[in-house]
Amino acid sequence: DTGVSQDPRHKITKRGQNVTFRCDPISEHNRLYWYRQTLGQGPEFLTYFQNEAQLEKSRLLSDRFSAERPKGSFSTLEIQRTEQGDSAMYLCASSLGDNQPQHFGDGTRLSIL
Amino acid sequence: TQLLEQSPQFLSIQEGENLTVYCNSSSVFSSLQWYRQEPGEGPVLLVTVVTGGEVKKLKRLTFQFGDARKDSSLHITAAQPGDTGLYLCAGWFGNEKLTFGTGTRLTIIP
Repeated sequence: DTGVSQDPRHKITKRGQNVTFRCDPISEHNRLYWYRQTLGQGPEFLTYFQNEAQLEKSRLLSDRFSAERPKGSFSTLEIQRTEQGDSAMYLCASSLGDNQPQHFGDGTRLSIL
Repeated sequence: TQLLEQSPQFLSIQEGENLTVYCNSSSVFSSLQWYRQEPGEGPVLLVTVVTGGEVKKLKRLTFQFGDARKDSSLHITAAQPGDTGLYLCAGWFGNEKLTFGTGTRLTIIP
């Protein structure tokens, strides 16, 4: 399977804990995006990378959130000191470039107890 | 802030019926995409429209881009239970960020 893969698929943790998610994009895609989706809503943009450079961050991305793509391949999204409001589906997508179709992974569903 | 409004928010119809869902914005899209998402999965791209007035067909699905590139519609003919899902429009407004609509949750009743 050469699609976008995300790990883990589900994460349940207690409030205040740190969590880290991983995304492996389609190998030839240099753009990588992170989104958050809550129940019944469309995905909301969080941040994106062009190769290893993080080019834009949404105001939704508080200082508890950090994303990296150190070698321009896989990416990680870390949430520190999780809060109940962080409960959501976190989606990763990749594309060949600007305005190109984005291919999504199946997401990581985060539940904060 | 660009907003994409989709209507209706929920739609439940009998198998075999036709339906149309709409995506509207006050801003002009440089291009627009439609996705379908099933529970527990990521959105899957259905189509991209770029030119005002463009019509694209994908089997029983017909996508239309408004002449002014500020709205789009998705029409499904003879809906089937496999069409059930969350339909999302998403637009590029000239910047590098894809903005998603609020979604239409479609249920086809056998």
